Amino acid sequence: GESVGLHLPTLSVQEGDNSIINCAYSNSASDYFIWYKQESGKGPQFIIDIRSNMDKRQGQRVTVLLNKTVKHLSLQIAATQPGDSAVYFCAENKGGYQKVTFGTGTKLQVIP
Amino acid sequence: DTGVSQDPRHKITKRGQNVTFRCDPISEHNRLYWYRQTLGQGPEFLTYFQNEAQLEKSRLLSDRFSAERPKGSFSTLEIQRTEQGDSAMYLCASSLGLRDYSEETQYFGPGTRLLVL
Repeated sequence: GESVGLHLPTLSVQEGDNSIINCAYSNSASDYFIWYKQESGKGPQFIIDIRSNMDKRQGQRVTVLLNKTVKHLSLQIAATQPGDSAVYFCAENKGGYQKVTFGTGTKLQVIP
Repeated sequence: DTGVSQDPRHKITKRGQNVTFRCDPISEHNRLYWYRQTLGQGPEFLTYFQNEAQLEKSRLLSDRFSAERPKGSFSTLEIQRTEQGDSAMYLCASSLGLRDYSEETQYFGPGTRLLVL
């Protein structure tokens, strides 16, 4: 399949280690943030979301942290597995609008 | 598999031809979205429907592009007089449409990869 990871920042981690993927968002009016995972040849897959009135949310092996002061979002993946290899996008939804704006993405490579 | 399906998965066409893509959203979802994604970039919003009404269109959606959702279920995206710059992945997404605007999770289909020669 085609690669969606060309010219993207790349993060390489050893299998079993924790991964941290960072994202800076642009609009202080955004009130809902989402992380998507996109594997080669597939559409983006929802991972976890967070509202702007929260600063942390946990899912299964994933944690999202939101710092509104510096407009920064991070995705932490615990015990990274080969199946986590993909491009990860942060996305923001500006309140009152349905348009979701995606960041440029980070390619995660898991080294077995 | 999110439950959003798109057809075809791949389309190769010659410049100047018209193409049409179809999206079938998750059955109970009222909102349907189209995005375009080029290599190395995140998806870019094109348009969205609430049931059969097209409520927002991006300036990326030139007059050669038209989208419909006639019965509020499946949607089609047509590109007329295709250009090489139209080559991209066209993604469809759907969401429930019952919650506040700012808290809707959009579920994406696998996309249609268009190559214009």
